Order: sequence, then structure tokens, then C-alpha cells
Amino acid sequence: GQQLNQSPQSMFIQEGEDVSMNCTSSSIFNTWLWYKQDPGEGPVLLIALYKAGELTSNGRLTAQFGITRKDSFLNISASIPSDVGIYFCAGPPLNRDDKIIFGKGTRLHILP
Amino acid sequence: ETGVTQTPRHLVMGMTNKKSLKCEQHLGHNAMYWYKQSAKKPLELMFVYNFKEQTENNSVPSRFSPECPNSSHLFLHLHTLQPEDSALYLCASSQVSPGGASNEQFFGPGTRLTVL
Repeated sequence: GQQLNQSPQSMFIQEGEDVSMNCTSSSIFNTWLWYKQDPGEGPVLLIALYKAGELTSNGRLTAQFGITRKDSFLNISASIPSDVGIYFCAGPPLNRDDKIIFGKGTRLHILP
Repeated sequence: ETGVTQTPRHLVMGMTNKKSLKCEQHLGHNAMYWYKQSAKKPLELMFVYNFKEQTENNSVPSRFSPECPNSSHLFLHLHTLQPEDSALYLCASSQVSPGGASNEQFFGPGTRLTVL
């Protein structure tokens, strides 16, 4: 079945640094979603991408839908302590309209 | 209440107990989902309800029994669970158009379940 591969699995950065993470698949996706999950909470949708090549920003976050439709990246600029958490990419498989597949997540740690 | 709410937030139960998790969505969506999230594992989709009909049962053991009485409410009935069922159980909802993509799912805060 379709799978989403996220990298890196975890990141340790200094406050103020920029962050980049990506998500790839061997299959085409028509929608890419990026979620963030804080400890003990449910994932929260950050950015949704619907068109190949689309570049969308949400504050310090920027995400792009890859031209091949098989990848997406998420950048965070000037990281702050509240950026700590797990970031998931997700997308609906081609043969289903009512479910989405999640990557395994990138865990972001910010060093004091 | 706004968004997706789940109760209880924490639950501790013995293996012989019967309990239920409740989810309510206030977004007017027509699809609801149960996910299991264990430590250091990806989100596992358990059940999908689309227009109140179950459209996915992801090989979930029968000790988990979902119920969707209407498009706003979703329950997960638990009985004779095992310690390995301890996890964060997340509910989500989305708006699905027939033949269209569901895309954005909105999650509740989850129920942290511990089975002793």
C-alpha cells in the first residue's frame, strides 16, 4: 500500500535556527497535509496543500507540494521553544476519499 | 464547545472492565475516525465512519467495538482489554464529499488509556 516516509526521525536544534523536514512517497498524492502534535494532545493541522508546486505559508511555517506529487517539505524559520513537538505529514490515498495516511513523524527538540 | 471533544481524557481500567470512550464533533462534518497511537509508533487508523456507515475496520480486535449513532457522535466500547492496548486513542472528523477527497481531518485531544 501507499506509504509516507518522513525524515529526519528527530532533530535537535538551537532556538532561533531554521528547520527543514520532508516527506516522500513512491506513489502520487493529490493532497499533502502537515500536522503538529504537542505531548498528550491530538495532532493539529498546520498547512494543507492541494496543487503540485504549491508553496504555502502559515506564519513562520512554509510548506511545498512537490512537482512530482511524490514529496513535500515543511520549513520552520527562527524556531522558538513552543515549536517542540512531533510533525506529521499526511495525505489521502488515491483509491480512498475518506481516509488519510500518516507518516511516522519528525520529533523536534529545541536545545536551551 | 468547539472542534472535536473527547471524554474522558484519562482512563485506567482493569482487563475485566467494560468502558466506553466518547467523541463529539461540533464542525458539521460527515465522517469520523478512531486512531490508536502507541509510544514511538505511528498513528494507526482503527475505524472510519462515513455518513454513519462503517467503511473501514483495520483488522481491529473485537474487544474494541465502535458505535456511530449520528454524524456528530462516535463511541469506542472497550471490553476485556489487554495491557498492550494501553495507548492514546484519538478521534477525528472530516467533511467528505461523495467522490471527493476528505483531506483535512480535525483531531480531538485524545483519551490516554492505561490497562492494568
